[in-house]
Amino acid sequence: QQKVQQSPESLIVPEGAMTSLNCTFSDSASQYFAWYRQHSGKAPKALMSIFSNGEKEEGRFTIHLNKASLHFSLHIRDSQPSDSALYLCAVSLRATGGNNKLTFGQGTVLSVIP
Amino acid sequence: AQTIHQWPVAEIKAVGSPLSLGCTIKGKSSPNLYWYWQATGGTLQQLFYSITVGQVESVVQLNLSASRPKDDQFILSTEKLLLSHSGFYLCAWRTQNYAEQFFGPGTRLTVL
Repeated sequence: QQKVQQSPESLIVPEGAMTSLNCTFSDSASQYFAWYRQHSGKAPKALMSIFSNGEKEEGRFTIHLNKASLHFSLHIRDSQPSDSALYLCAVSLRATGGNNKLTFGQGTVLSVIP
Repeated sequence: AQTIHQWPVAEIKAVGSPLSLGCTIKGKSSPNLYWYWQATGGTLQQLFYSITVGQVESVVQLNLSASRPKDDQFILSTEKLLLSHSGFYLCAWRTQNYAEQFFGPGTRLTVL
């Protein structure tokens, strides 16, 4: 059964700092890797996803995947108070079709202080 | 554009009472549908998924059941609530060809 672990559990950074969030997974056959962001009391929303080794950048956000290390990460450049939220990483064995069961990590609570 | 609605927004129920939560997706035919449960500030636990009308698969046994009576509707229910059922219930959808799941606004359930 897929195990997904996030670190750190919580993080406080000043506005403008670089934030790095980590996620490890247990099944090397996994094909879909994503970060979801959830503001307090709201629904989670996908931020970024990646399917193959390497990096992908979208605005201030960069996702990095290393399948050999069973690890992927999210980096937030120039962190803003509006980035304060619960960040959940998610992994799936399949990218399409059927029930691509998403297994979520336990979350990292990010607080960006003005 | 696709929209997803959940009802009710919040419920306060007594232990042992029945429960029915609903989810409707508009603007997307034949979506894959999911029910998730989230403890306060915790991770998302997938409960059920459905690929088509009338077909529901259970992922975790939590004394809950689910049904898909229409293509755009997903229902979560139980005849007898437990204290451990408290939490945030989220419905989600995705297409067959793309992995990203889109979540509804959720229902906050408190069992006393």
